[in-house]
Amino acid sequence: SQQGEEDPQALSIQEGENATMNCSYKTSINNLQWYRQNSGRGLVHLILIRSNEREKHSGRLRVTLDTSKKSSSLLITASRAADTASYFCATKAAGNKLTFGGGTRVLVKP
Amino acid sequence: DVKVTQSSRYLVKRTGEKVFLECVQDMDHENMFWYRQDPGLGLRLIYFSYDVKMKEKGDIPEGYSVSREKKERFSLILESASTNQTSMYLCASSLSLGQFAELFFGEGSRLTVL
Repeated sequence: SQQGEEDPQALSIQEGENATMNCSYKTSINNLQWYRQNSGRGLVHLILIRSNEREKHSGRLRVTLDTSKKSSSLLITASRAADTASYFCATKAAGNKLTFGGGTRVLVKP
Repeated sequence: DVKVTQSSRYLVKRTGEKVFLECVQDMDHENMFWYRQDPGLGLRLIYFSYDVKMKEKGDIPEGYSVSREKKERFSLILESASTNQTSMYLCASSLSLGQFAELFFGEGSRLTVL
């Protein structure tokens, strides 16, 4: 079963709006990572948040982590058409495996 | 920049054929991974390798094998392809297996088994 599950499965917004997606996971983690995948391409690493961090920023991206609720959120501010992609959270528990969720498909309309 | 190159973007094979998917990375990474991606199921780990000639099973190794004869190359082998192996296959590499390691992905190989 998937460790991380994203919500919503799909999101459609206008250019300039903010996009928020959530990730819930089941077991304790060492870190949580977010990746982006453009249609038909490989995944690209966006940001990593450690289990002892609560919030992290990178450019227009803001990630939060609530370990008590076993959840994370990814906020993309002032979205652009180029942000259209699928976004995946990935968790690393004890051991070597990075486990991915099913992804959120984001469509940014111009 | 790290480059992970998958040899074929699209393949069409027949049931029972032997299929090789090749992956090469150019950044001297120790670790390489094969995932398959299916709609609604996310990415599932098939096998990974943390050193030359070393391999470990992931979550769904059945029907697959791997080969890592050189550090930069990691091959996924379908000994006898079946229709349920139609999928997008993604290769990735990482510098370490440490808890903060990020993965670098190739562009993917979309396999259709008829």
